[in-house]
Amino acid sequence: GDSVTQMEGPVTLSEEAFLTINCTYTATGYPSLFWYVQYPGEGLQLLLKATKADDKGSNKGFEATYRKETTSFHLEKGSVQVSDSAVYFCALNSNYQLIWGAGTKLIIKP
Amino acid sequence: ETGVTQTPRHLVMGMTNKKSLKCEQHLGHNAMYWYKQSAKKPLELMFVYSLEERVENNSVPSRFSPECPNSSHLFLHLHTLQPEDSALYLCASSQGLAGSETQYFGPGTRLLVL
Repeated sequence: GDSVTQMEGPVTLSEEAFLTINCTYTATGYPSLFWYVQYPGEGLQLLLKATKADDKGSNKGFEATYRKETTSFHLEKGSVQVSDSAVYFCALNSNYQLIWGAGTKLIIKP
Repeated sequence: ETGVTQTPRHLVMGMTNKKSLKCEQHLGHNAMYWYKQSAKKPLELMFVYSLEERVENNSVPSRFSPECPNSSHLFLHLHTLQPEDSALYLCASSQGLAGSETQYFGPGTRLLVL
């Protein structure tokens, strides 16, 4: 069945460092791809999404490109801030269900 | 963000208790979801409702019983739970069930079963 694999955390970076969180998927068809973020004590919120191959989603300085040839949707940010500390989830839409990765905890140190 | 609200935020219950979780969405959406979030595991979809009709039940034990009286409200009734049911229960809603739809989440109910 469809699945999502993302890099294990925690990922610890210093402020202003470059961030990459890897996400790869297996799916039949052409699913939409999502990154959600969960801040401490809160529910998940959409960070960005892409609905077809080569689309780039972007929000709050984060970007991810839907790469069909490598079945990937890696999350990147050029300069992270302490406020970016959270858990990041990659997901794909299979029929009407979201299939989730296990989440990657990001810790940014001042 | 108050689009999706959940009550209570925290709940402690014994294995013989009966309790209910409530979710309300103020976004005019037609689909609602219950998820279970356990430590170190991917989110698990439990139930999906579209226009108040259940469209998915992912092999959830019968001790969890959902109810969707209208498109704005979703309940999860709990009875005779087990300690392994302790988790964060998240409610979400979306405009429809299309593949590109964004799901909007509530803050969750942190459940502890003793």
